[in-house]
Amino acid sequence: DVKVTQSSRYLVKRTGEKVFLECVQDMDHENMFWYRQDPGLGLRLIYFSYDVKMKEKGDIPEGYSVSREKKERFSLILESASTNQTSMYLCASSPGGGRGTEAFFGQGTRLTVV
Amino acid sequence: SQKIEQNSEALNIQEGKTATLTCNYTNYSPAYLQWYRQDPGRGPVFLLLIRENEKEKRKERLKVTFDTTLKQSLFHITASQPADSATYLCALGARWGGYNKLIFGAGTRLAVHP
Repeated sequence: DVKVTQSSRYLVKRTGEKVFLECVQDMDHENMFWYRQDPGLGLRLIYFSYDVKMKEKGDIPEGYSVSREKKERFSLILESASTNQTSMYLCASSPGGGRGTEAFFGQGTRLTVV
Repeated sequence: SQKIEQNSEALNIQEGKTATLTCNYTNYSPAYLQWYRQDPGRGPVFLLLIRENEKEKRKERLKVTFDTTLKQSLFHITASQPADSATYLCALGARWGGYNKLIFGAGTRLAVHP
């Protein structure tokens, strides 16, 4: 069974903290994505990666960075957490080739910044 | 500006009827379009993909149409059941360099009543 696993379901962090969200996939997928989901706004793409050590900015990269040192792991980093980063964060992976294969999502991490 | 629009209001229908959800987009030239189902507190799950050169796709009780002239996709669930109640997201495969990134709409919540 294919799996995308996010390290935490719920996180509470303080303003100014450095926050790491981890995502691991076991499908040998080339592509990995980080989205955030807010009511009424849908899923917004933060960063994506098409290969190890490769990263590209999505639509809302400000305040975030990513790391992909191994193919199966894609980490999202909030350098200095702020309250407007309180959200549901979703990681996804998909096979490479760019031909539109489905994306597999993790269960999500609900982050609250206080 | 680029936009993907789905009905923000919930769709309420009676069990056994056909549910039709709409996805409209502007200023995109998608290579493909996907539909996902999302249950509360969970990550989206892939349902169907339709490519730009396809008009219609079916899978069991699901049907998707794709009109690149109207810039619209319709998602139909026939013989709907209460278990079909969920939020349904459309996603465009938007060309970006040599790749396609997946851009999501905000979703439409469907409630099927017995």
